[in-house]
Amino acid sequence: DTAVSQTPKYLVTQMGNDKSIKCEQNLGHDTMYWYKQDSKKFLKIMFSYNNKELIINETVPNRFSPKSPDKAHLNLHINSLELGDSAVYFCASSQATGYGYTFGSGTRLTVV
Amino acid sequence: RKEVEQDPGPFNVPEGATVAFNCTYSNSASQSFFWYRQDCRKEPKLLMSVYSSGNEDGRFTAQLNRASQYISLLIRDSKLSDSATYLCVVPVGHKFYFGSGTKLNVKP
Repeated sequence: DTAVSQTPKYLVTQMGNDKSIKCEQNLGHDTMYWYKQDSKKFLKIMFSYNNKELIINETVPNRFSPKSPDKAHLNLHINSLELGDSAVYFCASSQATGYGYTFGSGTRLTVV
Repeated sequence: RKEVEQDPGPFNVPEGATVAFNCTYSNSASQSFFWYRQDCRKEPKLLMSVYSSGNEDGRFTAQLNRASQYISLLIRDSKLSDSATYLCVVPVGHKFYFGSGTKLNVKP
């Protein structure tokens, strides 16, 4: 039983396309996150939701839009994909803010 | 100054060695800290939490020095399976700041 599951695992797409990544957690956690890990392996927070409410919105282009239909799901939609969006995107959840995270296995996005 | 800084390594050690990594942080208000382990092409996994002066779990010991604002991770009797990147994490408010990671290679 996967605790935090993301789909798809791999995504290869052309510049200018729109794509979505989905995330679901079955841990009963209240808080969910999207992180981006670039080619230098640096993990940077993008968004966080607590019980469907947006609590962190970092300096991310507005082409990126998160959506949380309920506290177990946090999806990420990306419009007009650019080459620089290529990275691994990790979803994570935690019991509450300040608690350790459980990460999904990541979505490796390649924009060509 | 970055919120979290780590020596990227790599640390190349023989099996059985003891190895230590340090991580410095800039926000003195941070109360809790974490070490995560990330294997190649995998997600980070929680290794240890550090809430007060330190924490020990088997071969792993994490210590916190609030005065100097650093946390350390000590691994005793290194195993080949300990080879990974170790990420230091510092919560600041709602956000977790990840260090860039220290790569450990344990050789036979």
